[in-house]
Amino acid sequence: AQSVTQPDIHITVSEGASLELRCNYSYGATPYLFWYVQSPGQGLQLLLKYFSGDTLVQGIKGFEAEFKRSQSSFNLRKPSVHWSDAAEYFCAVGNTGGFKTIFGAGTRLFVKA
Amino acid sequence: ETGVTQTPRHLVMGMTNKKSLKCEQHLGHNAMYWYKQSAKKPLELMFVYNFKEQTENNSVPSRFSPECPNSSHLFLHLHTLQPEDSALYLCASSQDRGGNTEAFFGQGTRLTVV
Repeated sequence: AQSVTQPDIHITVSEGASLELRCNYSYGATPYLFWYVQSPGQGLQLLLKYFSGDTLVQGIKGFEAEFKRSQSSFNLRKPSVHWSDAAEYFCAVGNTGGFKTIFGAGTRLFVKA
Repeated sequence: ETGVTQTPRHLVMGMTNKKSLKCEQHLGHNAMYWYKQSAKKPLELMFVYNFKEQTENNSVPSRFSPECPNSSHLFLHLHTLQPEDSALYLCASSQDRGGNTEAFFGQGTRLTVV
């Protein structure tokens, strides 16, 4: 069975600074990987996804993520954080045998002025 | 506008009450889901419906009863809940049940059991 670990419960960065949110997964085959964002009082919105091909994927709102098979990681990055990026971010892994997408516990991002 | 609408947004209910959560999707998707989101815990998948048929029940207590009358609507009927059932309940839909399918989420119903 697949699993997802987001080691950081919360992270604080200054506006304009770079951001990296960590995600490690466990899955026996090539995984389907996702990053979602949840703003306060809202549902989850997809930022980006990786299925195959180029290991660096671009998403919405200036985010990107890199799949590293050797490290079982799929870290989310943004070169310059905006105050509106403050939210909770979820990494998720889907399997090939039907919908069993598993979500991590989330990382809450705080942005300071 | 996410295309997935949940009502009500907030609900307070006593442990002896019966209430229902409603979810509606306008995306033409075939699969719908209920998730429970509790503080400091990962999202818990509760139920999966595909073409109106329930395909997944992740050991959810019987006090939660889902209903999917058609591919666009999903309900979660609640009765004799416990305080620990207080959480954000999220509905989601996707084109199909594939593991590579993006899920679209509603804004959730914040449930408080008193």
